[in-house]
Amino acid sequence: SQKIEQNSEALNIQEGKTATLTCNYTNYSPAYLQWYRQDPGRGPVFLLLIRENEKEKRKERLKVTFDTTLKQSLFHITASQPADSATYLCALDARGYQKVTFGTGTKLQVIP
Amino acid sequence: GAGVSQSPSNKVTEKGKDVELRCDPISGHTALYWYRQSLGQGLEFLIYFQGNSAPDKSGLPSDRFSAERTGGSVSTLTIQRTQQEDSAVYLCASSPRLAADTQYFGPGTRLTVL
Repeated sequence: SQKIEQNSEALNIQEGKTATLTCNYTNYSPAYLQWYRQDPGRGPVFLLLIRENEKEKRKERLKVTFDTTLKQSLFHITASQPADSATYLCALDARGYQKVTFGTGTKLQVIP
Repeated sequence: GAGVSQSPSNKVTEKGKDVELRCDPISGHTALYWYRQSLGQGLEFLIYFQGNSAPDKSGLPSDRFSAERTGGSVSTLTIQRTQQEDSAVYLCASSPRLAADTQYFGPGTRLTVL
């Protein structure tokens, strides 16, 4: 069956360091993968989309990689700040279907 | 322009009652999605609309759940005979096009069934 796995344990890092979050999937052949940020009590907010033919994508302090061989995406936040503390969700499309499936998210805590 | 809005923001109801949750998508967005998020859980897909039709209802948990969308805009999610396990945050999202591209989420409705 199709599965998306994100580290359910919270990730605590020191301010200024690079945070790296992982999204692994099985039994998918996604055309693209998305990362969202969710703050408590709010809906997710789109951050980045990376397509299957792209290895890496950047946006300001954010970087996403997509390895379709390893079936893994890495999400990096460089020079992390306490304001980056949130839950980060990855989402994959199911090729041919008009929806994406979300992972359970990883909670990031950036410590001042 | 305005984002996705949902109402009510909070709803407390008694077991067995019916509830209606409303979603106003971003104007012009063709696709509309409903998700459910329980405490500490990921987003559970419920239903997807393309215009007024719902080609994918596969996520609805039971026949107590139904949804409609009128005029290609506002959508309502109805839960009949609510149960305590229905307690969750119900999130609505819309996206501009047919494909499941970037989704814009509303703030959600927190439903508590006593």
